[in-house]
Amino acid sequence: DTAVSQTPKYLVTQMGNDKSIKCEQNLGHDTMYWYKQDSKKFLKIMFSYNNKELIINETVPNRFSPKSPDKAHLNLHINSLELGDSAVYFCASGLSGTDTQYFGPGTRLTVL
Amino acid sequence: GQQLNQSPQSMFIQEGEDVSMNCTSSSIFNTWLWYKQDPGEGPVLLIALYKAGELTSNGRLTAQFGITRKDSFLNISASIPSDVGIYFCAGQLPNRDDKIIFGKGTRLHILP
Repeated sequence: DTAVSQTPKYLVTQMGNDKSIKCEQNLGHDTMYWYKQDSKKFLKIMFSYNNKELIINETVPNRFSPKSPDKAHLNLHINSLELGDSAVYFCASGLSGTDTQYFGPGTRLTVL
Repeated sequence: GQQLNQSPQSMFIQEGEDVSMNCTSSSIFNTWLWYKQDPGEGPVLLIALYKAGELTSNGRLTAQFGITRKDSFLNISASIPSDVGIYFCAGQLPNRDDKIIFGKGTRLHILP
């Protein structure tokens, strides 16, 4: 049983397109996150949501819009994709007030 | 912004050797975490440390939360081939609502 799942695992698209990545967790956690991992493997937080409410927004371009329809889901929509958006995007979840985060398998986005 | 300095960036060792890596920061952290990332997967939590001076083991892994709260180390004893991967330290700053900052990772390679 997958705890944190993301779809798709791979996404190849052209510059200027709009795409979405979906994330679901079945751990009963109330907080979910999106991280970006660049080609040098540096992990940087983008957003966090607690009970569907945006908590952290780390100076991410407004082409990135997270949406949390419920506690178990946090989707990431990206408009007007740019070459520099190519990276692996990780979803994670955890319980608020704790530091342990469980990561999904990642979505490798390639923008051509 | 706050940064974690993780070293070494990469290590090449023989199977059976012990490994040591560390993270330092100019900021004080409430929590130190150590994650491992296998190729094509998301980071997995290895050890979490919550108190200055705390020393915690998880099998062949041992990690310590530095007394100054500005550093942490991870040791792996008697390395085996499946230890290969990227190890990340991560820390939570005081009063930052679940935000975790990651180090840049230590790539562990085991020579045949």
